[in-house]
Amino acid sequence: NAGVTQTPKFRVLKTGQSMTLLCAQDMNHEYMYWYRQDPGMGLRLIHYSVGEGTTAKGEVPDGYNVSRLKKQNFLLGLESAAPSQTSVYFCASSVPGNTIYFGEGSWLTVV
Amino acid sequence: GNSVTQMEGPVTLSEEAFLTINCTYTATGYPSLFWYVQYPGEGLQLLLKATKADDKGSNKGFEATYRKETTSFHLEKGSVQVSDSAVYFCALCKNSGNTPLVFGKGTRLSVIA
Repeated sequence: NAGVTQTPKFRVLKTGQSMTLLCAQDMNHEYMYWYRQDPGMGLRLIHYSVGEGTTAKGEVPDGYNVSRLKKQNFLLGLESAAPSQTSVYFCASSVPGNTIYFGEGSWLTVV
Repeated sequence: GNSVTQMEGPVTLSEEAFLTINCTYTATGYPSLFWYVQYPGEGLQLLLKATKADDKGSNKGFEATYRKETTSFHLEKGSVQVSDSAVYFCALCKNSGNTPLVFGKGTRLSVIA
């Protein structure tokens, strides 16, 4: 019973490097999300998708890009990592108006 | 727009104390309301939810009632345990339309023996 799976779980990047976080869900959910969690800030929505081939900006989209080429996958890209992007990233999925299911998180450090 | 405001922590309680974490919301229409819990080093898990006014969500001894008249969804537990130490997030989701979940900033609870 996989649910929402994020890879990698931990990553250290140098400033300016690029990387992609992969999220996969096996619940056939329409909606998928990427959040970041920082101390004292709670969860902030980066980007989200309401279906295959669609994406939308959330509260803090700058410096990130996303793609939803397949319904089950939602990729989060950092083109040129900055120390301000050091955070814990959570992927999630849901059906509209219903329970949202989270992955276990990806800890990213940019040095 | 939609928003959630929850009491700021941290909250420190002794074991077996009564817990209340306040949550109020602003939304158009009739959202669904949720409480999520995050244990140290883990992702968020759904604790309970309510989808319409006067509904009461409950799980693991926690309860919250959807109060439309006060736009609130306060989390309560009669007797907390050390194992309840975690961060609690209140959230809302519109039941229709393409609006994602909106979270409060979280309240850290520490229960001491």
